[in-house]
Amino acid sequence: QKEVEQNSGPLSVPEGAIASLNCTYSDRVSQSFFWYRQYSGKSPELIMSIYSNGDKEDGRFTAQLNKASQYVSLLIRDSQPSDSATYLCAGRGYNFNKSYFGSGTKLNVKP
Amino acid sequence: DADVTQTPRNRITKTGKRIMLECSQTKGHDRMYWYRQDPGLGLRLIYYSFDVKDINKGEISDGYSVSRQAQAKFSLSLESAIPNQTALYFCATSDLTGGDEQYFGPGTRLTVT
Repeated sequence: QKEVEQNSGPLSVPEGAIASLNCTYSDRVSQSFFWYRQYSGKSPELIMSIYSNGDKEDGRFTAQLNKASQYVSLLIRDSQPSDSATYLCAGRGYNFNKSYFGSGTKLNVKP
Repeated sequence: DADVTQTPRNRITKTGKRIMLECSQTKGHDRMYWYRQDPGLGLRLIYYSFDVKDINKGEISDGYSVSRQAQAKFSLSLESAIPNQTALYFCATSDLTGGDEQYFGPGTRLTVT
């Protein structure tokens, strides 16, 4: 099992809808999690980090962490065509180890 | 100015040539990473360094080597380039005390012919 797993998509949502992106993680991953957005041909950009169980909101973005079920999600409210990108989930390993990246979910927001 | 810079941004080289990709950062982070990304695929870790004297292999280190010349500089070398090393290469940095979020450079597009 990979340390962090994501559905590759593509996930298609209409403009204005809520996009829900999910990732699951293994026992090798700790409780620090990150969401990155990557536009085609560009470098990943950090958009959210979450360290404790529950929800964390930042503008149109909400990150959710469920430790019991070992999953992390990212909700994007009022999705815009400019949100169309690949979203990478990452989780840090235990003992201050490196982070593990999922393979990314491609999101298409249709006008 | 960008916090994480990579040179060159684009490079075309021939099979068998030695090539070096360079990464510099002004963020003051101790941790640095090299990734490659192939079209439509995720990031794969090549090497990482948690400080100047610490170098670790990632999941795909064969055919690559690295040098951490200073806290701010981390170079990736392809000893004898081969066509399947054609990819987009990213350098990243992080700071454990700051949460260990990674900050990426703009990438180097490498083509081996």
